[in-house]
Amino acid sequence: DGGITQSPKYLFRKEGQNVTLSCEQNLNHDAMYWYRQDPGQGLRLIYYSQIVNDFQKGDIAEGYSVSREKKESFPLTVTSAQKNPTAFYLCASSMNSGASQETQYFGPGTRLLVL
Amino acid sequence: QKEVEQNSGPLSVPEGAIASLNCTYSDRGSQSFFWYRQYSGKSPELIMSIYSNGDKEDGRFTAQLNKASQYVSLLIRDSQPSDSATYLCAVNNRGSTLGRLYFGRGTQLTVWP
Repeated sequence: DGGITQSPKYLFRKEGQNVTLSCEQNLNHDAMYWYRQDPGQGLRLIYYSQIVNDFQKGDIAEGYSVSREKKESFPLTVTSAQKNPTAFYLCASSMNSGASQETQYFGPGTRLLVL
Repeated sequence: QKEVEQNSGPLSVPEGAIASLNCTYSDRGSQSFFWYRQYSGKSPELIMSIYSNGDKEDGRFTAQLNKASQYVSLLIRDSQPSDSATYLCAVNNRGSTLGRLYFGRGTQLTVWP
């Protein structure tokens, strides 16, 4: 059963704490992405990775960090520097074939709340 | 700078009617256009993609693209209450080698019985 999994479904962060959101895919996709969605807003790109051991900042990378040590995994860490982390976090992946018609597929999301 | 704009809605239509969702984009060189449906509390799911000018039909859904006007729309025929969701327009950026997508804020659609 191929797809993208994200965990946990809900995550609570205390002030000053770093938390890590998991994203795993078994679609054999090269490219992976992290988006943030706030209520009534579109998706904003945090980080993306085209290939293992390489990643690039998106539009709102401040206060976040990522790693891409395996093709299947792209964890996102929300650091204490991110002052307003409450949001719905979405992980996506695509083949990265270089074609402009490439489609992104999304995981189920993680909702992060601040205590 | 807003890349992708959607009519903010909310849009409310009766069951059986045609729902029309609109999207404009700023990058004239954009090549690929996607419509995602997002139910409340869930992640987006792809429902339509379109790459050439004209219409593309898939069941009750029709995507329309006019690159000259930088406009893409989604028509939902015979709307059902189960179509009630937020619809996100996404556009591929010409300058991106990644397949980077830019998303609109979404249009919330309610179909009432």
